[in-house]
Amino acid sequence: DADVTQTPRNRITKTGKRIMLECSQTKGHDRMYWYRQDPGLGLQLIYYSFDVKDINKGEISDGYSVSRQAQAKFSLSLESAIPNQTALYFCATSLGTGPKYFGPGTRLTVL
Amino acid sequence: AQKITQTQPGMFVQEKEAVTLDCTYDTSDPSYGLFWYKQPSSGEMIFLIYQGSYDQQNATEGRYSLNFQKARKSANLVISASQLGDSAMYFCAMREGFGRMDSSYKLIFGSGTRLLVRP
Repeated sequence: DADVTQTPRNRITKTGKRIMLECSQTKGHDRMYWYRQDPGLGLQLIYYSFDVKDINKGEISDGYSVSRQAQAKFSLSLESAIPNQTALYFCATSLGTGPKYFGPGTRLTVL
Repeated sequence: AQKITQTQPGMFVQEKEAVTLDCTYDTSDPSYGLFWYKQPSSGEMIFLIYQGSYDQQNATEGRYSLNFQKARKSANLVISASQLGDSAMYFCAMREGFGRMDSSYKLIFGSGTRLLVRP
């Protein structure tokens, strides 16, 4: 089984809809991250969390919210999706320094 | 100004040969980390190797090594004995402010190098 899983893998939704992306890990890492990747570019940090009670905004947190339900689970929500949130979303984990273990990604399209 | 520069948008290498992917960076922060990631055409993101600014030795991970030249601000990735499965986009990234309380986990990415391994 994969160390970091993401659901759904693909999602098409409409403008204004609320959507949740889920991430689970079996690495036992305390640090979890949500990143977004636009075509041809690197990753941009949305939110990161050091433990269940420690949530931090990244560089592009507007329009997103997160929930760390347990050490192993970190969810990303788009409260009211808009077309420019169409992107590839990655969840990642690490023990420190920076993201090392990535989920397979969720390809989100907002129409 | 670009903080991470990858000057090779695309490269070819013959299978079983070594290849160097260039990365230069710009920071005035004495404490930083450098990362290399691989992204195959299937889309997943794979961490390859990490080098801290205070690390005395160049990082190595299997066939991957990082040629860290601090004075020149370069952190080139060397892949030895290339394999067909190495064909992918490779990103160099930097995180500044290691060890500081106000440090963010923002990674600054280069534009990537697409590597194609020829049989």
